[in-house]
Amino acid sequence: SQQGEEDPQALSIQEGENATMNCSYKTSINNLQWYRQNSGRGLVHLILIRSNEREKHSGRLRVTLDTSKKSSSLLITASRAADTASYFCATGYNQGGKLIFGQGTELSVKP
Amino acid sequence: DGGITQSPKYLFRKEGQNVTLSCEQNLNHDAMYWYRQDPGQGLRLIYYSQIVNDFQKGDIAEGYSVSREKKESFPLTVTSAQKNPTAFYLCASSIGGAGRIETQYFGPGTRLLVL
Repeated sequence: SQQGEEDPQALSIQEGENATMNCSYKTSINNLQWYRQNSGRGLVHLILIRSNEREKHSGRLRVTLDTSKKSSSLLITASRAADTASYFCATGYNQGGKLIFGQGTELSVKP
Repeated sequence: DGGITQSPKYLFRKEGQNVTLSCEQNLNHDAMYWYRQDPGQGLRLIYYSQIVNDFQKGDIAEGYSVSREKKESFPLTVTSAQKNPTAFYLCASSIGGAGRIETQYFGPGTRLLVL
């Protein structure tokens, strides 16, 4: 399966702490995307990083991509209770025009 | 007010019944997707369409059917052949075209329950 794997499956932290989630994949990609899902809702796109990029920032989010290790990480700095959600990585491949989603990391930020 | 809408929010299916989930977008996107999400799981691709009047099977197409007669609409029918349809169904769209893999925009989802 081309599906990415995320770890940890669940993460519980205190407000103000940083949260790091990791994603690994198996074959060469065109881009890698991170999405957020609040319970019972649709997914919201957070950030897209292309295969020729190594790091991207968006507000409190920092994404890194290591194509040699076929892995990516999402860092949320100074977390807030409102960051509580599931976070998914999705990999886009050069053929097919579709994304492959990982199983997700469930983040709980306690006030 | 651009976006992607799904209806209904909840849908109940009786055994042997076909049901259709609606997905509409006014983002002028070429590509549309249907995913299934089971509790605590990631998304699995059912069908996708990169252009009007064309669609491809995803990883779990058995028991489902779609049509793409209009750019803005991509309805999903869950047929009686789908023996375990209880799940959260998500529709998404993206700019698409020529196999591009860009940001996907998701609807709010439809939760399908079996009576």
